[in-house]
Amino acid sequence: AQSVAQPEDQVNVAEGNPLTVKCTYSVSGNPYLFWYVQYPNRGLQFLLKYITGDNLVKGSYGFEAEFNKSQTSFHLKKPSALVSDSALYFCAVRDMAYGGATNKLIFGTGTLLAVQP
Amino acid sequence: ETGVTQTPRHLVMGMTNKKSLKCEQHLGHNAMYWYKQSAKKPLELMFVYSLEERVENNSVPSRFSPECPNSSHLFLHLHTLQPEDSALYLCASSQVAGEGTQYFGPGTRLLVL
Repeated sequence: AQSVAQPEDQVNVAEGNPLTVKCTYSVSGNPYLFWYVQYPNRGLQFLLKYITGDNLVKGSYGFEAEFNKSQTSFHLKKPSALVSDSALYFCAVRDMAYGGATNKLIFGTGTLLAVQP
Repeated sequence: ETGVTQTPRHLVMGMTNKKSLKCEQHLGHNAMYWYKQSAKKPLELMFVYSLEERVENNSVPSRFSPECPNSSHLFLHLHTLQPEDSALYLCASSQVAGEGTQYFGPGTRLLVL
């Protein structure tokens, strides 16, 4: 079965420093990977996705993610963190086990990013 | 942010009440989803609709009853809920069920007393 793991419940970083939020995945076949962000009392906002092509994917708000097939990872990165980046970040993988409309997104448990001023 | 809207944003109900959650998407998508988000747990997919037909029901208790009258609207009817059903209920939509990017609404924060 497809799965995704976010090993850190919380990541703390100082404003202006680079940030990394980790995600590893387990899939059979080619992975379709996503990052979403959730601000307090809000729904999930799509940040970026990897389907195929370049291993470095650029997304919204200056975020990017690097797909690493050998390490089965899809870490989210940003060169310089902002206090406003503080939120809950979710990694997700598409489960293609049964195909078609039954494909579903499998989400990680989320990583809380706290950016200190 | 306004592509998928949900009402109400907050709901408090007793275990004997009947209430409904509403979701509307303005993106021209053909698929809609209900998720449950509880603290410290991954998002749980509850229901999937494709062109108003239910294609997925993830062993959800019958006290949750979805309805999709058209591809833009999705309801979740609630009755005789339990306190453990308290959670954030998120609606999402995508162009095609099982494909593409899902876009989420802001959620309904439900508290069952």
